[in-house]
Amino acid sequence: DTGVSQNPRHKITKRGQNVTFRCDPISEHNRLYWYRQTLGQGPEFLTYFQNEAQLEKSRLLSDRFSAERPKGSFSTLEIQRTEQGDSAMYLCASSLAMVVWGQENTEAFFGQGTRLTVV
Amino acid sequence: GNSVTQMEGPVTLSEEAFLTINCTYTATGYPSLFWYVQYPGEGLQLLLKATKADDKGSNKGFEATYRKETTSFHLEKGSVQVSDSAVYFCALMGDYKLSFGAGTTVTVRA
Repeated sequence: DTGVSQNPRHKITKRGQNVTFRCDPISEHNRLYWYRQTLGQGPEFLTYFQNEAQLEKSRLLSDRFSAERPKGSFSTLEIQRTEQGDSAMYLCASSLAMVVWGQENTEAFFGQGTRLTVV
Repeated sequence: GNSVTQMEGPVTLSEEAFLTINCTYTATGYPSLFWYVQYPGEGLQLLLKATKADDKGSNKGFEATYRKETTSFHLEKGSVQVSDSAVYFCALMGDYKLSFGAGTTVTVRA
């Protein structure tokens, strides 16, 4: 399978614990995104990387959240001191970024997500 | 900033009925537009896309036309099947990231 892979698929943790999720993008893709999705809502942007550089972080991303993409390959998203409000599906996506005639023309492929439940 | 507004659901239809889900957007520049679908228990999948005004994206019998004058990208299918039951998300790519609508849940009854 050469799609986007996320691990674990499910995580239950106690409030106050730290959790880390991993995303393996499609191998030739240079851009990697993290999104969060809660029930009944569309995915909300958290952050994205171009190769190993983190280029943008959403205001939604509090200082308890940190993401890395060492060597521009896989990425990790860590949440410290989890809170019940962090319970959500965390989605990773990757794309091969290209600009055509000045327009961003990318197609993002999503993983199956990691469902986090904070109890 | 960029935003997407799509028709609220849920939508319940009988098999072979016509489906339309409205989507409008606000964006700077010339975004690419997408429809993603999420089947029960599965991840988000790209359904179709359009990259410039008047482009029509199509896939699996679904169609959507990029209308710049009305800033819309409505999704249509002429004859739905039970297997089309899913959540549908309209999205735009702008400022190097996707912005999504809230999603529309579609249920097709046999």
